[in-house]
Amino acid sequence: LQMQESGPGVVKPSETLSLTCTVSGDSIRGSPYFWGWIRQSPGRGLEWIGRLSHSGGTDCNAALQSRATLKMDTSKNQFFLHLTSVTAADTALYYCVRLLGKLPDHWGQGTLVAVSS
Amino acid sequence: DIQMTQSPSSLSASVGDSVTITCRASQSVASNLHWHHQKPGKAPRLLIYTVSSLQTGVPSNFSGSGFGTDFTLTINSLQPEDFGTYYCQQTDSSPFNFGPGTTVDIK
Repeated sequence: LQMQESGPGVVKPSETLSLTCTVSGDSIRGSPYFWGWIRQSPGRGLEWIGRLSHSGGTDCNAALQSRATLKMDTSKNQFFLHLTSVTAADTALYYCVRLLGKLPDHWGQGTLVAVSS
Repeated sequence: DIQMTQSPSSLSASVGDSVTITCRASQSVASNLHWHHQKPGKAPRLLIYTVSSLQTGVPSNFSGSGFGTDFTLTINSLQPEDFGTYYCQQTDSSPFNFGPGTTVDIK
């Protein structure tokens, strides 16, 4: 299983951060696994963002105050994170993860996102 | 939200030593407690799930115990590749918070 995050690297304050996770070695369509995002920053440590199932059901961290949206494109074996109204507090290393239920059992390499004007 | 704490925040130990890391939850998480290991510049990797079950490929010198609010990770006969940071995580209730980490340095 390989999971690779991709994204813009830098996002301006108040704009939307969009990340893609491309999965190879497993099909997200019909998979018993969930797919999700976790971020890591020096100030906040590891922070759970959310997860989604192959059927489209999602479960996000309420602390993000509904700014996070998770979606997937099973035809491309990809899933996505959209985080609106970003601030400097959203600067972090973002990991996509595969989850067995609620437990992340496989992590991508991570992609660094900086919020800066 | 359930808050996770770990102690110590860091430690140094020699190859062959035994090391114990403690994780505490602000309320009971039953057995929904897991450990991840992160080496510098790398993504975390699942080490132990549901308190004491070793992930595939994890050597048997790792062990976990506990229930409810208090948990321990023990590394017997520490090896050079065991350096890095260890994080506990609860999946009892959302958000599935992590502890702040314990960094293990090899003397």
